[in-house]
Amino acid sequence: ETGVTQTPRHLVMGMTNKKSLKCEQHLGHNAMYWYKQSAKKPLELMFVYNFKEQTENNSVPSRFSPECPNSSHLFLHLHTLQPEDSALYLCASSQDLTATNEKLFFGSGTQLSVL
Amino acid sequence: GNSVTQMEGPVTLSEEAFLTINCTYTATGYPSLFWYVQYPGEGLQLLLKATKADDKGSNKGFEATYRKETTSFHLEKGSVQVSDSAVYFCALRENSGYSTLTFGKGTMLLVSP
Repeated sequence: ETGVTQTPRHLVMGMTNKKSLKCEQHLGHNAMYWYKQSAKKPLELMFVYNFKEQTENNSVPSRFSPECPNSSHLFLHLHTLQPEDSALYLCASSQDLTATNEKLFFGSGTQLSVL
Repeated sequence: GNSVTQMEGPVTLSEEAFLTINCTYTATGYPSLFWYVQYPGEGLQLLLKATKADDKGSNKGFEATYRKETTSFHLEKGSVQVSDSAVYFCALRENSGYSTLTFGKGTMLLVSP
């Protein structure tokens, strides 16, 4: 148990669906992240929030929309996805972005399949 | 920009064999280096880290030494167990100011009894 919980664990959706991924952390951290994990590719950083403010968007398509209502919760809203968006989506948190040698705590991920 | 290169997997070993997973990096400054491990069905968790040249990180029998001259951070273990089967990710993070982790592609390790 890492203290970072993601739901759902598995999600299958059609290209016209709208769904949301949820992440919750009970560690008192101020930074939260969304990563995309695809086979044979480096872990891709998608979004970063620090103290509820989005600080990074790594050229992610607009069909992915993040939301961070407070420091403990992070959502990823999905709309009109493509089959190539099928992947494991990982949420992570850390104390903040300025501490050196910062350790990330990851959730178990949501395995997304887009049909 | 920063990047991390890991050896292609899967690495297949018998129990009690010696393990090496190669990792090299490119960075503009002097980063901290990390190994994360992902067990089946789980997220990544920190295995070990090193913050400056010649530092050795160690945990659970795994070791890695920060080699600035070769820009490498190879992961080693003297005797692997079946329970070490997982995906191992090398990563770096700049030590100055605001920065995030840059990960490699991951290397799958399969250990058979």
